[in-house]
Amino acid sequence: AQSVAQPEDQVNVAEGNPLTVKCTYSVSGNPYLFWYVQYPNRGLQFLLKYITGDNLVKGSYGFEAEFNKSQTSFHLKKPSALVSDSALYFCAVRDTFGNEKLTFGTGTRLTIIP
Amino acid sequence: DVKVTQSSRYLVKRTGEKVFLECVQDMDHENMFWYRQDPGLGLRLIYFSYDVKMKEKGDIPEGYSVSREKKERFSLILESASTNQTSMYLCASTSGGTGVGYEQYFGPGTRLTVT
Repeated sequence: AQSVAQPEDQVNVAEGNPLTVKCTYSVSGNPYLFWYVQYPNRGLQFLLKYITGDNLVKGSYGFEAEFNKSQTSFHLKKPSALVSDSALYFCAVRDTFGNEKLTFGTGTRLTIIP
Repeated sequence: DVKVTQSSRYLVKRTGEKVFLECVQDMDHENMFWYRQDPGLGLRLIYFSYDVKMKEKGDIPEGYSVSREKKERFSLILESASTNQTSMYLCASTSGGTGVGYEQYFGPGTRLTVT
């Protein structure tokens, strides 16, 4: 079985400050990990993924995420937050040798305060 | 660019009606998915299909069925709509391949209200 936890429903950050959105996961084998963003009344947009290799993954809009196998975490980060980063963020996981089925977290609403 | 389109952005139906939600992708993807999104619950998988005429139940298939007659099209059917099926429905697609971590591409969503 695979699962994802996003422990914070809401994260508020001042504009220009660094931001972190947390994600922990559980899979039987090795994970593929994904971050998606959803703007109001829109579908999900892919931000970045960890497949293998370097633990620090860079993605769209200046976001990055760090894969930590010992802590089973994949936290999303950005050095300097923009008001336009305000959105709903989802972490997702699947086992590397399972089918294509992704399991999503419950989402974290990120609000950047001007 | 990959494009996933859904037939309606907003839909209002009455209890007991049969409802069809259509999804089309233009990238020749093998895998297609239907999710529903509810506040506080995230995305939950209803059904997915890994090939034409092939389907597998997801986590919450009760009250739904699907059809995939052509590779590019995946339909979600609510046999008899109920108020607890009021939700945002998202379609997604991705390439296949064991051991390859392709991302899923999502449509804009259909917000269904059942009254």
